[in-house]
Amino acid sequence: NAGVTQTPKFRILKIGQSMTLQCTQDMNHNYMYWYRQDPGMGLKLIYYSVGAGITDKGEVPNGYNVSRSTTEDFPLRLELAAPSQTSVYFCASNLQGDEKLFFGSGTQLSVL
Amino acid sequence: KNEVEQSPQNLTAQEGEFITINCSYSVGISALHWLQQHPGGGIVSLFMLSSGKKKHGRLIATINIQEKHSSLHITASHPRDSAVYICAVRPRGGADGLTFGKGTHLIIQP
Repeated sequence: NAGVTQTPKFRILKIGQSMTLQCTQDMNHNYMYWYRQDPGMGLKLIYYSVGAGITDKGEVPNGYNVSRSTTEDFPLRLELAAPSQTSVYFCASNLQGDEKLFFGSGTQLSVL
Repeated sequence: KNEVEQSPQNLTAQEGEFITINCSYSVGISALHWLQQHPGGGIVSLFMLSSGKKKHGRLIATINIQEKHSSLHITASHPRDSAVYICAVRPRGGADGLTFGKGTHLIIQP
């Protein structure tokens, strides 16, 4: 099993550009999450999904969108990039909410 | 609002020392996670607890539900244990995401 695969690892965007961060897991996990990690802060939940076709907002959803058309994939979309979205993004998954979490390797995004 | 506080924020110790990292939280929870973030940035799950104590190799995690407190211990610490250790909790009956502490930056010197 590859686990949680997240791409790209690094990206630089200009203000106003759009991009999609990809996340795929091959463990047949129901729950998937997107977090952002800012320097000196704890990870913050952006969006999460409890199964295909179901998504919900987390603590910091503004400026982002997600979809969950399959169990495996949970892409995160930035429509109009802003400097405040400069961060490290992590995708994670688990079988159920109270199970061990598996993380992707992270995406370092800079918006200039 | 659920708060997760970790202490200390930074810890430097000598190889072989016994390490303790503490985590306190403010609301009832269904689970507590201890995570390790490597210097390269990757995050791995060390433990998930809902009660009692768990041990894996040189790592021990304990939780006291009544006191809303958990500790992570490292015995016979080694330079390869140098990392950021993160505590995260899942509030009982709340949304499905976790609330994270800011992490404890541990450096083990040879």
